[in-house]
Amino acid sequence: QQKVQQSPESLTVSEGAMASLNCTFSDRSSDNFRWYRQHSGKGLEVLVSIFSDGEKEEGSFTAHLNRASLHVFLHIREPQPSDSALYLCAVSRSGTGGYKVVFGSGTRLLVSP
Amino acid sequence: EAAVTQSPRSKVAVTGGKVTLSCHQTNNHDYMYWYRQDTGHGLRLIHYSYVADSTEKGDIPDGYKASRPSQENFSLILELASLSQTAVYFCASSDPGRGDTQYFGPGTRLLVL
Repeated sequence: QQKVQQSPESLTVSEGAMASLNCTFSDRSSDNFRWYRQHSGKGLEVLVSIFSDGEKEEGSFTAHLNRASLHVFLHIREPQPSDSALYLCAVSRSGTGGYKVVFGSGTRLLVSP
Repeated sequence: EAAVTQSPRSKVAVTGGKVTLSCHQTNNHDYMYWYRQDTGHGLRLIHYSYVADSTEKGDIPDGYKASRPSQENFSLILELASLSQTAVYFCASSDPGRGDTQYFGPGTRLLVL
């Protein structure tokens, strides 16, 4: 069964410094990866989706996928205090249906001014 | 813009009472989902539906029922609420034919006393 783990559990960075979050998955046939952001008390907002090895950029968010090492990273360029939130990684295999998405438990990011 | 709304946004229930959480989407998506979020567990799938008048069990269905009377509406029912069902509940919708990104509602915070 798919296992998705995120590290670190929490991360504090200074405003403008790069933030890097890690997501590790266990099913090598996974090919559908998303990063979501959740501000306190709010729903989940999709940031970036990636389906093949390499990088995918959406604004200040870049996802980096390396399926051989079972890792997908999220890099946040020049984060602002408004980027302080819980970041969730979601992993699945295409064609298996959305009910097969497995979420990590999240990294809580704090961006200090 | 497509949207998923949930009601109520928060609720206090008594142990043994009945609770109904409602979800409405204007995304025209076939798939809808109910998740619960607990600290340290990320999101866990309770029930999902891929067509009106049909629901399927997710990973943690015990103690929950679901109802999908139309494409737009999906309800989660706790017939006999228990303390362990205190959590934040999220509804989501997706279209498997369009990359299967799940779009989430704002969540319902349920406290069972």
